[in-house]
Amino acid sequence: GAVVSQHPSRVICKSGTSVKIECRSLDFQATTMFWYRQFPKKSLMLMATSNEGSKATYEQGVEKDKFLINHASLTLSTLTVTSAHPEDSSFYICSARSPVTGDNEQFFGPGTRLTVL
Amino acid sequence: GQQLNQSPQSMFIQEGEDVSMNCTSSSIFNTWLWYKQDPGEGPVLLIALYKAGELTSNGRLTAQFGITRKDSFLNISASIPSDVGIYFCAALSYNTDKLIFGTGTRLQVFP
Repeated sequence: GAVVSQHPSRVICKSGTSVKIECRSLDFQATTMFWYRQFPKKSLMLMATSNEGSKATYEQGVEKDKFLINHASLTLSTLTVTSAHPEDSSFYICSARSPVTGDNEQFFGPGTRLTVL
Repeated sequence: GQQLNQSPQSMFIQEGEDVSMNCTSSSIFNTWLWYKQDPGEGPVLLIALYKAGELTSNGRLTAQFGITRKDSFLNISASIPSDVGIYFCAALSYNTDKLIFGTGTRLQVFP
C-alpha cells in the first residue's frame, strides 16, 4: 500500500512552453499532497502544499503563477510549470500522506526530471 | 528557519562494515523519518520515529529518536552493495505537516 506515481518520468521541452506533471496516489486517498524540487546533489525543497478542493499553499519564494498546482480529486494533483525556462530544469518530486499508515508519514513518487532547452 | 544538520556528508565504506549517520537541529520535533533515495528516484521511507527515546529497527537498519527531540541517528549494520544511495533524515514539528529534510548522506559501499 501507499504507492504514489508520477507522470511523466522525464520531459524535455523548449523554452517558453508549459509542462504538466501528474502525481497520483494509487491505493489510497490523499487530501494533502506536496510538491518538492531537488537540484543535483542537493536535498529536497518544499515548493507547495496541495489540498484537495482548495488553493495550494506556496512556500516563500515560489511563484504561484509560475508553478500552477491543481488538486482536483483525492488521488490526483498536478503541477504545471508555465512558460518554462532553462533555470526551471530540475527534478520534481511529489509526495502524499497516507491515512492508513499515519498522518506524519509521507510517501514519495518516483520523480519527474524536467529539462528545458 | 528550521534546519537539520546531517552528517557525515558522504561515506565510503567496505562491504560488511557498519554505518552510522545522524541529524541534529536547534529545534524540537515530534516526528523523525529516515529516507533512502536512489539516483533518479524518489525517496523511500525506511523508518519512522514518533516518541522521544524510541529505538526502531527495520532489518539491518536501526534508528533512534533523540531524548531531547532535537536529534536522530540511523545505523546500518553489515552493509551490502545495494545500500548505496543517499540517506535523508526528515522531521516534523507540532501543528505542521511540512517535512524538513536534512542535507543528505551519500553512501558508497565497496565490495
